Amino acid sequence: EPEVTQTPSHQVTQMGQEVILRCVPISNHLYFYWYRQILGQKVEFLVSFYNNEISEKSEIFDDQFSVERPDGSNFTLKIRSTKLEDSAMYFCASSPGQGARGWYGYTFGSGTRLTVV
Amino acid sequence: AQSVAQPEDQVNVAEGNPLTVKCTYSVSGNPYLFWYVQYPNRGLQFLLKYITGDNLVKGSYGFEAEFNKSQTSFHLKKPSALVSDSALYFCAVEAGTALIFGKGTTLSVSS
Repeated sequence: EPEVTQTPSHQVTQMGQEVILRCVPISNHLYFYWYRQILGQKVEFLVSFYNNEISEKSEIFDDQFSVERPDGSNFTLKIRSTKLEDSAMYFCASSPGQGARGWYGYTFGSGTRLTVV
Repeated sequence: AQSVAQPEDQVNVAEGNPLTVKCTYSVSGNPYLFWYVQYPNRGLQFLLKYITGDNLVKGSYGFEAEFNKSQTSFHLKKPSALVSDSALYFCAVEAGTALIFGKGTTLSVSS
């Protein structure tokens, strides 16, 4: 079964540093997403991406964040100048069509746990 | 604004007993509703979804969910719980190209 792959599984960074979280979506999917889950809290939408541009973003996704599809396979989330409150599990997801209406909706990766110290 | 509520932080059930994990929603228009499960150190796995049609939706691992428009609910059910069903369960509603998740309910099945 196709999977969404995220690397690294765990990243520790110093406050103020930049981090890049990497994702390889399912190859024939067209829509890509980032979500985050602060420990003990609910999963929150950050951004959706289609055709090399942002489709939708939440109020969480401010100028500190950016996304990029640098080649035909990777999808990255960059956080500039990380803050303590950025510590969370970050999930990448992909879907074959718009929104979650493909048969399996979104396919989520296993996540990257980001710890800002 | 679209929102989802999961009123129970934890549900405890004995193996072999039926289980219900509750979810209510608030949306404008027709809701597209989903259940996902998260096992420790794993991503979110799709269980089932309601788009339209039959109010009883069957999904993976023997789970089903009942859509009730008048009560704006989408409760997850299983007739006979397994210890391996113990996990964190999320209800979600589609809003644009995003999923809006509930806070999650931890299901604990005892043997």
